[in-house]
Amino acid sequence: QKEVEQNSGPLSVPEGAIASLNCTYSDRGSQSFFWYRQYSGKSPELIMSIYSNGDKEDGRFTAQLNKASQYVSLLIRDSQPSDSATYLCAGAVWTSYDKVIFGPGTSLSVIP
Amino acid sequence: ETGVTQSPTHLIKTRGQQVTLRCSSQSGHNTVSWYQQALGQGPQFIFQYYREEENGRGNFPPRFSGLQFPNYSSELNVNALELDDSALYLCASSRAGTGPLQPPLHFGNGTRLTVT
Repeated sequence: QKEVEQNSGPLSVPEGAIASLNCTYSDRGSQSFFWYRQYSGKSPELIMSIYSNGDKEDGRFTAQLNKASQYVSLLIRDSQPSDSATYLCAGAVWTSYDKVIFGPGTSLSVIP
Repeated sequence: ETGVTQSPTHLIKTRGQQVTLRCSSQSGHNTVSWYQQALGQGPQFIFQYYREEENGRGNFPPRFSGLQFPNYSSELNVNALELDDSALYLCASSRAGTGPLQPPLHFGNGTRLTVT
């Protein structure tokens, strides 16, 4: 079983719509979660960190965490063509080191 | 604040050769992690360095090795290169976590390695 799974893409949404990206994780010891955006050929850039159950909003982005369901999501409101990228979900487990595991990513295309 | 920098940007090597990739961590960060990202996949954890020692390793063979220096910069060495080693190699730095809530990783621009 993969440790972090994401909904398979590609995901296409029209400009101005809400894009919903989902992620599940298997390790109940995970306490910290991150969403990264990665443009083609570039490195991942951090969008948001979330540590507590519930919603966390930052501009057009809202991350949601439900530890009981082992579920993390990212909503992008008013999607723009510049949001077209691969979105990576990552979970961190604190062991003897900071183990951060990434999902396979979901490709998002925002259609003008 | 200086971000994470990696060198070189691109590299072409022949199967069986050895390669060294370099990374300078973001200022204020004392932990460096290396990831391998094959095309169309998420980053795969190779190993992490803290206080100049490897303190965590993913499912990679011993021919993948590394170093961390007193200034927190780091190297990734890969011996006996194989075709499947062709990938984007990402270095990420962070502050060491002090408990179960971990600070995020900040990535460099990566090194694209092609093995022919």
